[in-house]
Amino acid sequence: QSALTQPASVSGSPGQSITISCTGTSSDVGGYNYVSWYQQHPGKAPKLMIYDVSNRPSGVSNRFSGSKSGNTASLTISGLQAEDEADYYCSSYTSSSTSSVFGTGTKVTVL
Amino acid sequence: QVQLVESGGGLVKPGGSLRLSCAASGFTFSDYYMSWIRQAPGKGLEWVSYISSSSSYTNYADSVKGRFTISRDNAKNSLYLQMNSLRAEDTAVYYCAWGYSFWYFDLWGRGTLVTVSS
Repeated sequence: QSALTQPASVSGSPGQSITISCTGTSSDVGGYNYVSWYQQHPGKAPKLMIYDVSNRPSGVSNRFSGSKSGNTASLTISGLQAEDEADYYCSSYTSSSTSSVFGTGTKVTVL
Repeated sequence: QVQLVESGGGLVKPGGSLRLSCAASGFTFSDYYMSWIRQAPGKGLEWVSYISSSSSYTNYADSVKGRFTISRDNAKNSLYLQMNSLRAEDTAVYYCAWGYSFWYFDLWGRGTLVTVSS
């Protein structure tokens, strides 16, 4: 199962908005509303930020939002803050193996 | 307190075996699918395996199929991963993970490092 495609890095200044893309196929991202997003700080476990494309778990800031169009999902971080600097991974259900597939990961840098 | 705590990682020679454990607390363990996910040093996340709530269904990544076995003991609120025929490319931090649905992961443990090297 091939990993979903994400940009290696995205950067922005404090207060700005950035968007991370996650491209898959009709067997995963495009076929199901089962995309999730995770934030991982260095040396820490991943944290769920968005599930089922656009739902935020309790406690996650509303500065984080998710969407999907065709085979590409997106995570938008608005009002960028220093603590948002981390690695971000998307994930999707995939029918090819009835499991989950992760994205390649995106390093977000706050300038 | 809802938490997952992995144990059992360590250094093992190629071809060797290791059994990872994950102790769950703070939620009804027996109601949910559980998963293992790994992350090689400096690399991205890779889903490894999941098991259904009653152990009736398991699934594995192609990279570990036939070598790894996932299991659980609902009476002990514990998840396991038996890893055989280990290879250098299995070197990674192994995370135990839980979610309301098996395709996303609400809660992760801190991970346990497995190093396969001679």
